[in-house]
Amino acid sequence: NAGVTQTPKFRVLKTGQSMTLLCAQDMNHEYMYWYRQDPGMGLRLIHYSVGEGTTAKGEVPDGYNVSRLKKQNFLLGLESAAPSQTSVYFCASSNRALQGAFFGQGTRLTVV
Amino acid sequence: KNEVEQSPQNLTAQEGEFITINCSYSVGISALHWLQQHPGGGIVSLFMLSSGKKKHGRLIATINIQEKHSSLHITASHPRDSAVYICAVPLPDSNYQLIWGAGTKLIIKP
Repeated sequence: NAGVTQTPKFRVLKTGQSMTLLCAQDMNHEYMYWYRQDPGMGLRLIHYSVGEGTTAKGEVPDGYNVSRLKKQNFLLGLESAAPSQTSVYFCASSNRALQGAFFGQGTRLTVV
Repeated sequence: KNEVEQSPQNLTAQEGEFITINCSYSVGISALHWLQQHPGGGIVSLFMLSSGKKKHGRLIATINIQEKHSSLHITASHPRDSAVYICAVPLPDSNYQLIWGAGTKLIIKP
């Protein structure tokens, strides 16, 4: 039982490059979330999804896009990476809104 | 403006000590979450509570809705309890967003 799996775990990008972070969950959860975590700050919600084919903006959506084409996958895209997007990114999923979320192990992204 | 405040920011204690971590919030809430982030980065949900007290093993979480305050206690602390403990509350008028505290870094020395 894998739970929530994020790939990749580490990545270094040059400014202006693009990339996609993949989040996969095998628990048939409806809700999925992308967060970023920066030193000294709480987790901040980037985008979330309440079901297959739906996405919504969170607290800090600028510079990111997401897609939820399949229920088990939630993709986070950076079209043109900036140093300000250097962070640790966490994906989470839950069966009910805001309850009992399962988190991935995180992706450490550095933009140089 | 951080609407969720945790204290202390850092806490170092000896194995066996009773640990208390506090969380205060300024918004009206229906429930509060406690999570644990391991040194390796993984995050685990510990509790969601809306009133009273919940217990799981050596962990106890309490909440006082009127005072807008919650505490997480660890009894008979052990080095494996070393982690960052985070509280979070729902954003007002949102079903999906949480306001997260910055976390309390706990180190238990053997």
